[in-house]
Amino acid sequence: DVKVTQSSRYLVKRTGEKVFLECVQDMDHENMFWYRQDPGLGLRLIYFSYDVKMKEKGDIPEGYSVSREKKERFSLILESASTNQTSMYLCASSSSGVGNEKLFFGSGTQLSVL
Amino acid sequence: TQLLEQSPQFLSIQEGENLTVYCNSSSVFSSLQWYRQEPGEGPVLLVTVVTGGEVKKLKRLTFQFGDARKDSSLHITAAQPGDTGLYLCAGEDSGNTPLVFGKGTRLSVIA
Repeated sequence: DVKVTQSSRYLVKRTGEKVFLECVQDMDHENMFWYRQDPGLGLRLIYFSYDVKMKEKGDIPEGYSVSREKKERFSLILESASTNQTSMYLCASSSSGVGNEKLFFGSGTQLSVL
Repeated sequence: TQLLEQSPQFLSIQEGENLTVYCNSSSVFSSLQWYRQEPGEGPVLLVTVVTGGEVKKLKRLTFQFGDARKDSSLHITAAQPGDTGLYLCAGEDSGNTPLVFGKGTRLSVIA
């Protein structure tokens, strides 16, 4: 069964901490994405990557960075966590190709910043 | 910036009722996808519609893509409690850009 695995389901951190959210996919997908999901705001794209070592800013990159050293792993980094970064974080992957991109999502990480 | 508006935002119905949710935009999309997200899980793709006017059926769910490829609808017949979840539409541009997501319709089917 194909999978996108996020390292933690729940995470509690303190303001100012550096936070790493890890995502691994086993489908040999080229594309990987990080979203945050908040009530009433839907899914908002933070960063994405279409290849190893490559990254692109999404709609809300401020306060975040990413790392993609290997094809299967895409990490989201909160350099200095703040309370407004409390959210559900979803990782997704897809294969490259022409059209009909299908996203496979992980189960999400609920991050609370206190 | 392309936007997808979903309506209604919330829907609570009794088991056995029919319902329709909508996904509208002023922009044209090359394809449109519908995802369902259950509590505590990530969204899962239900269907992709590509051709204007296309209708696809998935058991009791019927998906339609508008003729102008700017809007889509999801109709559920005889809703079941298992249909409960957040329904998200996502549009694909013709270029190499990420999907654009609507904010979702949260459906609750009460037994």
